[in-house]
Amino acid sequence: GAVVSQHPSWVICKSGTSVKIECRSLDFQATTMFWYRQFPKQSLMLMATSNEGSKATYEQGVEKDKFLINHASLTLSTLTVTSAHPEDSSFYICSARDLVGGLAKNIQYFGAGTRLSVL
Amino acid sequence: AQRVTQPEKLLSVFKGAPVELKCNYSYSGSPELFWYVQYSRQRLQLLLRHISRESIKGFTADLNKGETSFHLKKPFAQEEDSAMYYCALSLNFGNEKLTFGTGTRLTIIP
Repeated sequence: GAVVSQHPSWVICKSGTSVKIECRSLDFQATTMFWYRQFPKQSLMLMATSNEGSKATYEQGVEKDKFLINHASLTLSTLTVTSAHPEDSSFYICSARDLVGGLAKNIQYFGAGTRLSVL
Repeated sequence: AQRVTQPEKLLSVFKGAPVELKCNYSYSGSPELFWYVQYSRQRLQLLLRHISRESIKGFTADLNKGETSFHLKKPFAQEEDSAMYYCALSLNFGNEKLTFGTGTRLTIIP
């Protein structure tokens, strides 16, 4: 099946620094990737939709200057948390949509997530 | 706005007993419904989707538009079914954005 790799799995950083998280589709092309945030014991909240070659679409309430998304190729999207603060500590999860059409078109494959801890 | 409700945060069922995880949604259009599962220390993965109308690992789910529900059922629970289950909705076929419910943690008691 389709595999999405997310790196790093865990990162600790100092307040004020920036952190980049990578999301790669390993064996398929993904024109669309998604970034979610998950707080402890809560559901996944969509942050933004990342489209290859164009600007990301952010959900209401998500600061685009805070969470920079780059989707430069069909297999890679990155999320950069800029000037991170303790309140940005969370579990960030990416997913990628398989480009293959038909019934498979609307399936999202998820990365394993990145736990960000900001000190 | 669309909304997915999973009323049970925790559900414990004895092995061999039937399982039903509830999911209700609110959306006036024709949504596509999914069940995703997350086993311990694993990533979220698709369990089933309503348009496929198939049974995966013994689980089935039927979309009831009248009751706006998409409950997940299995007649005989197995220990390996213990996991976190999320119901999710996309607005229309081909619309990729997913709205997730809050999830139900299912524990199968041996």
